[in-house]
Amino acid sequence: DQQVKQNSPSLSVQEGRISILNCDYTNSMFDYFLWYKKYPAEGPTFLISISSIKDKNEDGRFTVFLNKSAKHLSLHIVPSQPGDSAVYFCAARTPYNQGGKLIFGQGTELSVKP
Amino acid sequence: EAGVTQFPSHSVIEKGQTVTLRCDPISGHDNLYWYRRVMGKEIKFLLHFVKESKQDESGMPNNRFLAERTGGTYSTLKVQPAELEDSGVYFCASSQGMRGTGNTIYFGEGSWLTVV
Repeated sequence: DQQVKQNSPSLSVQEGRISILNCDYTNSMFDYFLWYKKYPAEGPTFLISISSIKDKNEDGRFTVFLNKSAKHLSLHIVPSQPGDSAVYFCAARTPYNQGGKLIFGQGTELSVKP
Repeated sequence: EAGVTQFPSHSVIEKGQTVTLRCDPISGHDNLYWYRRVMGKEIKFLLHFVKESKQDESGMPNNRFLAERTGGTYSTLKVQPAELEDSGVYFCASSQGMRGTGNTIYFGEGSWLTVV
């Protein structure tokens, strides 16, 4: 049972344009949502997070939107740069009393073309 | 400050052999996690230590996997005997506490295991 889903395995975007990566979840008890970026042969690197009580968090070129009613979040990258090319994982955190572990989606491979 | 370090970075072993993976979390981080990514799929939770205690080991695949964290510092994950389906990347991660803004979990670069 996949609690966190990233339905797009890949996304290709032109440099300078917006990249939108989507993520859906099923468990309404998740308390934080995080995006991780992963380059080949490296571990996931934390990018940005959002609390379940917020609907938007922005950090430079990266913005995460959370729609709790739809159980959907998205990561916007504006403007996209070739160095953003990587696999992006959406992760949801279980509440503290359930261990606070991360549940990951399958990842979306973003390719930003010059 | 050193990040999460894992050893070995790559390991190739034969089916039936034993492999032990080691993780050194970020200094001062009480929480230590093991995750695994198999065949390019999602990163799956294996288990969680709080200091030296196993908080949650619900993701451990079977009793061929044994994790320890003696003294609440580094952790080892032993696979004995290894099977072909154990091949994948084993990530270790750590975090400081359970509450707070985001409580970021930091990952190591992974230990790539290939069982042949």
